[in-house]
Amino acid sequence: DTGVSQDPRHKITKRGQNVTFRCDPISEHNRLYWYRQTLGQGPEFLTYFQNEAQLEKSRLLSDRFSAERPKGSFSTLEIQRTEQGDSAMYLCASSLGPGLPYNEQFFGPGTRLTVL
Amino acid sequence: QKEVEQDPGPLSVPEGAIVSLNCTYSNSAFQYFMWYRQYSRKGPELLMYTYSSGNKEDGRFTAQVDKSSKYISLFIRDSQPSDSATYLCAIQGAQKLVFGQGTRLTINP
Repeated sequence: DTGVSQDPRHKITKRGQNVTFRCDPISEHNRLYWYRQTLGQGPEFLTYFQNEAQLEKSRLLSDRFSAERPKGSFSTLEIQRTEQGDSAMYLCASSLGPGLPYNEQFFGPGTRLTVL
Repeated sequence: QKEVEQDPGPLSVPEGAIVSLNCTYSNSAFQYFMWYRQYSRKGPELLMYTYSSGNKEDGRFTAQVDKSSKYISLFIRDSQPSDSATYLCAIQGAQKLVFGQGTRLTINP
């Protein structure tokens, strides 16, 4: 399977705990994106990487959130001191680029976070 | 005002019906317009994308963009139960995608 993979698929945690999610993009893609999707809403952009450089962060990404892509391949998204409002589906996507006018983003299956 | 507005539905139609899904957007600078389909508990998958104004057809699906009114549409002909999903319109900003709320569609056999 050469698509975007995410791990774990589902995480249940207690309020105040730290969680970390992993995303493995399509191998030749150098752009990687994180989105958050709450129930009944469309995905909202959180951040994106060009290789290992984090180039943009949304205002949604509070200080409790940190994302890394240390070697320009897989990425991790960590949430510290989780709150119930963090419960959502966290989606990862990857694309080719730069230099292309349109970059199709391929999405992974998502990690569903439930904070109790 | 949200950058992309989409009626969340839900929308329920009989098999074989023509389905029309719509979005409006606010930023006239957008050039690329996408429709994604999302099945329950899965990630979104791209159905079609359109550059600037005009129509694009792919099998039973037609995407339409009217930049003068900032209106985008997706038409599904001869709808099938397997088309039941949430349909998300999206606009490509500088690097990121800006999504509508999604319309939940059910095709009844």
